[in-house]
Amino acid sequence: AQTVTQSQPEMSVQEAETVTLSCTYDTSENNYYLFWYKQPPSRQMILVIRQEAYKQQNATENRFSVNFQKAAKSFSLKISDSQLGDTAMYFCAFMSTGNQFYFGTGTSLTVIP
Amino acid sequence: DVKVTQSSRYLVKRTGEKVFLECVQDMDHENMFWYRQDPGLGLRLIYFSYDVKMKEKGDIPEGYSVSREKKERFSLILESASTNQTSMYLCASRTGPPEINTEAFFGQGTRLTVV
Repeated sequence: AQTVTQSQPEMSVQEAETVTLSCTYDTSENNYYLFWYKQPPSRQMILVIRQEAYKQQNATENRFSVNFQKAAKSFSLKISDSQLGDTAMYFCAFMSTGNQFYFGTGTSLTVIP
Repeated sequence: DVKVTQSSRYLVKRTGEKVFLECVQDMDHENMFWYRQDPGLGLRLIYFSYDVKMKEKGDIPEGYSVSREKKERFSLILESASTNQTSMYLCASRTGPPEINTEAFFGQGTRLTVV
């Protein structure tokens, strides 16, 4: 079974600073996909960034980037120049060719003005 | 834009009632999912469907059933609601096999309270 672990239930960061959210996962598969989803308060879950396991290059989307360490089964999210709108619950997720998503327990991020 | 719409934002039901949660997507996606979200537990998969009339159990199917009679609609049914089913329920959809497309789109969630 796949498991996804987010060890930081809550984090905070000053506006304009950088923050890193941690995620580790456990799988015996070689081909899989990793995601970070954002759930703002009382709003829909949206995709922030994704990474294919076969790609060595770390994914980047504007202020969001990942540090993917396949051997260590680690997939952290870095948010640069944090903005108030980044305040949300962040979920790390794993998907294999079996079609199911597996989610971590989430990290609640608060950006402080 | 892809839209995944859940029929209710908030719902209050009595213990023992049969409850229907409806989800509709407008992008002809093959795959649809129902999750429940609880604090400290993240999202847990209840059921998913990869085609009309096809369904697969997720990690916590007990006490739930699903129906997918049309491609765009995926219903979650609580046969006899219990207080431990009080939760946030999220519907999601995705097109194609994982090799083709990976992004899942979520509905706004239904917060169900069973009293």
